[in-house]
Amino acid sequence: EIVMTQSPATLSVSPGERATLSCRASQTLSRNLAWYQQKPGQAPRLLIYGASTRATGVPARFSGSGSGTEFTLTISSLQSEDFAVYYCQQYDNWPPYTFGQGTKLEIK
Amino acid sequence: EVQLSESGGGMVQPGGSLRLSCAASGFTFSAYAMNWVRQAPGKGLEWVSVVNHSGVRTYYADSVKGRFTISRDNSKNTLYLQMNSLRAEDTAAYYCAKGSTTDGYNCFDYWGQGTLVTVSS
Repeated sequence: EIVMTQSPATLSVSPGERATLSCRASQTLSRNLAWYQQKPGQAPRLLIYGASTRATGVPARFSGSGSGTEFTLTISSLQSEDFAVYYCQQYDNWPPYTFGQGTKLEIK
Repeated sequence: EVQLSESGGGMVQPGGSLRLSCAASGFTFSAYAMNWVRQAPGKGLEWVSVVNHSGVRTYYADSVKGRFTISRDNSKNTLYLQMNSLRAEDTAAYYCAKGSTTDGYNCFDYWGQGTLVTVSS
């Protein structure tokens, strides 16, 4: 089973600033890596798939990068609606599909 | 517009059973794999099970293998999860999630609103 580790657990950033979230896989992935956003009381929402492709309707301020075992989600200029929990997920070596434990992005 | 709507959650005693349903619309249901993903209160996401587009192939997390059964009825655009021998640790919100492909190598591109399952005496 591939273990996904996200860092940091909590990230405090001011609106308008850049946020960088990290995700590390225990084994090399062939870019089958997704990012999700979850707001309180809501279902997760797909943001990024294939490590760097934005899902339909996702604003351009969200970008994904990385390869191998190290992946990054960057939000270029934080808006109030971006404060949420973010999860990475690998779908390269399954079953099982595995998620990171999440990074909570909070307002500084 | 893709819509996924779960139902069937509730409170059940340890050792009991529940059957969850997920009604799908807005896409060609029979063309995509479908998944169940759960989230215990205050915790992260845990993939539970996937069924391929035709219903022939199914896979499970070790934590539910032998107790849960995923199935689908493509004529009714509905996904199911039969949960038997329920344990306290199965308490979670259960989400139906559309796969991005017909079989494996799925990310989850659309999610339902979730249905809460509580296992308690």
